[in-house]
Amino acid sequence: GQNIDQPTEMTATEGAIVQINCTYQTSGFNGLFWYQQHAGEAPTFLSYNVLDGLEEKGRFSSFLSRSKGYSYLLLKELQMKDSASYLCAVRDGRSQAGTALIFGKGTTLSVSS
Amino acid sequence: ETGVTQTPRHLVMGMTNKKSLKCEQHLGHNAMYWYKQSAKKPLELMFVYNFKEQTENNSVPSRFSPECPNSSHLFLHLHTLQPEDSALYLCASSQTPGEQFFGPGTRLTVL
Repeated sequence: GQNIDQPTEMTATEGAIVQINCTYQTSGFNGLFWYQQHAGEAPTFLSYNVLDGLEEKGRFSSFLSRSKGYSYLLLKELQMKDSASYLCAVRDGRSQAGTALIFGKGTTLSVSS
Repeated sequence: ETGVTQTPRHLVMGMTNKKSLKCEQHLGHNAMYWYKQSAKKPLELMFVYNFKEQTENNSVPSRFSPECPNSSHLFLHLHTLQPEDSALYLCASSQTPGEQFFGPGTRLTVL
């Protein structure tokens, strides 16, 4: 089967660092994506990992371990505007076109001052 | 217009109505997608089109009927929906195999 797990909610304070974990079990794997979704808005792309290791992009970093079926999104120097839902998604390599994404339920992050 | 646009942004319909959702992408992408987002549930893939051809139908009930006349436009025709179909319907596009860009969504309420 296919399953993606991530914590439902997390809280943190401004200026802190937070790590959002994602574990997955899929029959096929062709990359992992992180998206940010503010309430009432569309998801926006944050990062993409297809090989093991860390990808850094400004205050955001994403890590992947394919052997462990594990990824995390690291947010540094948190700001109030980072309060949002963070979606972990795995691209299912078995799909006909190789483009379908399987999403987790998302982690709602609340940043307080 | 830039990115991915969707109309209408909000839709209220009765169970006997027929309506259509529209999506347009201005990014020159070759793939388009329909997703359903319900409260407390993950984003659910409904349909995938690549170069106007449907390549995925994720066991979606026939009361949802997609149409992709060209690579820039995608429709979702709705008829005889149920209250449990109330959700946010998101359209996305991508240039295979890149990341997907999402539209703002249509908030659908079925009475």
